[in-house]
Amino acid sequence: RKEVEQDPGPFNVPEGATVAFNCTYSNSASQSFFWYRQDCRKEPKLLMSVYSSGNEDGRFTAQLNRASQYISLLIRDSKLSDSATYLCVARGTSGYALNFGKGTSLLVTP
Amino acid sequence: NAGVTQTPKFQVLKTGQSMTLQCAQDMNHEYMSWYRQDPGMGLRLIHYSVGAGITDQGEVPNGYNVSRSTTEDFPLRLLSAAPSQTSVYFCASSDRDLVHYGYTFGSGTRLTVV
Repeated sequence: RKEVEQDPGPFNVPEGATVAFNCTYSNSASQSFFWYRQDCRKEPKLLMSVYSSGNEDGRFTAQLNRASQYISLLIRDSKLSDSATYLCVARGTSGYALNFGKGTSLLVTP
Repeated sequence: NAGVTQTPKFQVLKTGQSMTLQCAQDMNHEYMSWYRQDPGMGLRLIHYSVGAGITDQGEVPNGYNVSRSTTEDFPLRLLSAAPSQTSVYFCASSDRDLVHYGYTFGSGTRLTVV
């Protein structure tokens, strides 16, 4: 069982829609969490860190629920350019390595 | 800044051959890692390093060696290539502030073992 689990999707949404992704992590000792974005055949790129208090960056909002061990990403007013795979990430127990979920695929359609 | 540079971008190997995937970063980052990405498996950690001279194994280290003689370079060596090592390999680096900045990834090496 992977330490980080995500619904693989795909999520197909129209432009302008709001879409939410959740992921769960199994290691309660994990300290840091991230959402990465990966375009087809490209490297993962950091979208945002996830803080306990929740954080927002433009149309993107990330939340962390430590009690239930899940992380969420909300995308408002979806754009065609948001189409990508979104990777949920938890820092491992070593403190230095990151554990990645398998990713959730998003397709925003006109 | 070039960021994280990986070479080669593409490689085809025959079973049993050895090779080294190169990774270099110019951001003076202490932490460096190698991941492989396979369809349906996600990114899996092969080896990582927390500084020059210090390396450790990740989730899937068998068949791979690493060394970290300088802060900038973190090469990954395939000792005797096998078809199961066909994958996309990503090198990544980070400074100590992992909480805020996570890892920066190179553009990847696509390896095919025939």
